[in-house]
Amino acid sequence: AQTVTQSQPEMSVQEAETVTLSCTYDTSESDYYLFWYKQPPSRQMILVIRQEAYKQQNATENRFSVNFQKAAKSFSLKISDSQLGDAAMYFCAYRSGGTGGFKTIFGAGTRLFVKA
Amino acid sequence: EAQVTQNPRYLITVTGKKLTVTCSQNMNHEYMSWYRQDPGLGLRQIYYSMNVEVTDKGDVPEGYKVSRKEKRNFPLILESPSPNQTSLYFCASSLGGQQRNEQFFGPGTRLTVL
Repeated sequence: AQTVTQSQPEMSVQEAETVTLSCTYDTSESDYYLFWYKQPPSRQMILVIRQEAYKQQNATENRFSVNFQKAAKSFSLKISDSQLGDAAMYFCAYRSGGTGGFKTIFGAGTRLFVKA
Repeated sequence: EAQVTQNPRYLITVTGKKLTVTCSQNMNHEYMSWYRQDPGLGLRQIYYSMNVEVTDKGDVPEGYKVSRKEKRNFPLILESPSPNQTSLYFCASSLGGQQRNEQFFGPGTRLTVL
């Protein structure tokens, strides 16, 4: 069975600084996708960034980028130039590809605090 | 507007009283899924559906039922709710295949079972 582990329950960053959130996963599948979701106090789930396992290039979306280490099964999220609006809960998620259908595993989450 | 809607948004009920939480999407997505979110546990998948009349269990299906009679709707049924089903529930949908794999989430349903 697949697992996703976020080892940092809470993180804190100064505004304008850079922070990295960790995520490791375990799977025997070769076809899968990885995601980072943001959940602000409104509870809405917002996709931040996604990575296809078959792509070696790390995904980037503006101030958000990932460090995808497939062999190490690591998928960390880097937030550059942190803003007050980045304060939220962040979830790492794994989704099976191919015949695995729509099975999705989430980590327990990391709460990010941004200090002004 | 493309969206996933859930109803009700908030529900307080008592043990054993059957309830249904509705989920509807207007994006013609093949895949739909239900999750529950509990503190310290993240989101856990309850059931998912890959198309009409095709459903499968997620990690925590006990005490829940689903049906997918129409592509746009995927209701979650609690036949006999218990206090341990008190949680925040999310419905999500996605296109199938390799085209897109982003899940679109509904706003959530806060359920309290007394």
